[in-house]
Amino acid sequence: EAGVAQSPRYKIIEKRQSVAFWCNPISGHATLYWYQQILGQGPKLLIQFQNNGVVDDSQLPKDRFSAERLKGVDSTLKIQPAKLEDSAVYLCASSLKFPNRGSSYNSPLHFGNGTRLTVT
Amino acid sequence: GENVEQHPSTLSVQEGDSAVIKCTYSDSASNYFPWYKQELGKRPQLIIDIRSNVGEKKDQRIAVTLNKTAKHFSLHITETQPEDSAVYFCAEGVGNEKLTFGTGTRLTIIP
Repeated sequence: EAGVAQSPRYKIIEKRQSVAFWCNPISGHATLYWYQQILGQGPKLLIQFQNNGVVDDSQLPKDRFSAERLKGVDSTLKIQPAKLEDSAVYLCASSLKFPNRGSSYNSPLHFGNGTRLTVT
Repeated sequence: GENVEQHPSTLSVQEGDSAVIKCTYSDSASNYFPWYKQELGKRPQLIIDIRSNVGEKKDQRIAVTLNKTAKHFSLHITETQPEDSAVYFCAEGVGNEKLTFGTGTRLTIIP
């Protein structure tokens, strides 16, 4: 099966500029996640979608970050304006969610290759 | 999940020896514990996972053990090979919801 697709692969911007990342999950995966991975750290969840609805965005810095998944398939993550501390790899992941069962029946997360953002 | 501690942060072992990485978590509601391997510049890839209804799971040279009472789980790699060199992350959560990742262990296999 095709994996999670992300673009661009790399992005360099100056602080206060805007940037957007795109993700296309594995076909049929209803759940989509955006993670931020700062160098030397583990991934940190920013936002989780179930189809086109937001399940959890408690760790998303909403003053500058936004995300959408309008048609329940691909998703975009935007940062406006960017700060130096936003330099990181932004990973998109997707998983199946089995209907009518509890969250313990989610399939494992499949990650994309990520977008490496450098803010100068 | 709320918080997960991972140790050690770096680990070097001779090829053929075993490697053990341990994680401790705090959320008693957590019931899903995956381990991811991340090679330099690549995506995290799931290598093994365990749910709270079992205490141990094995897949060839890789095994994971879970102690729910003590709230810790460990990754065991036996007969290590050079291609096992990577950063390993543990994670915990309720199903796949709000997975919290550890800080990672850089494993180096010495030929």
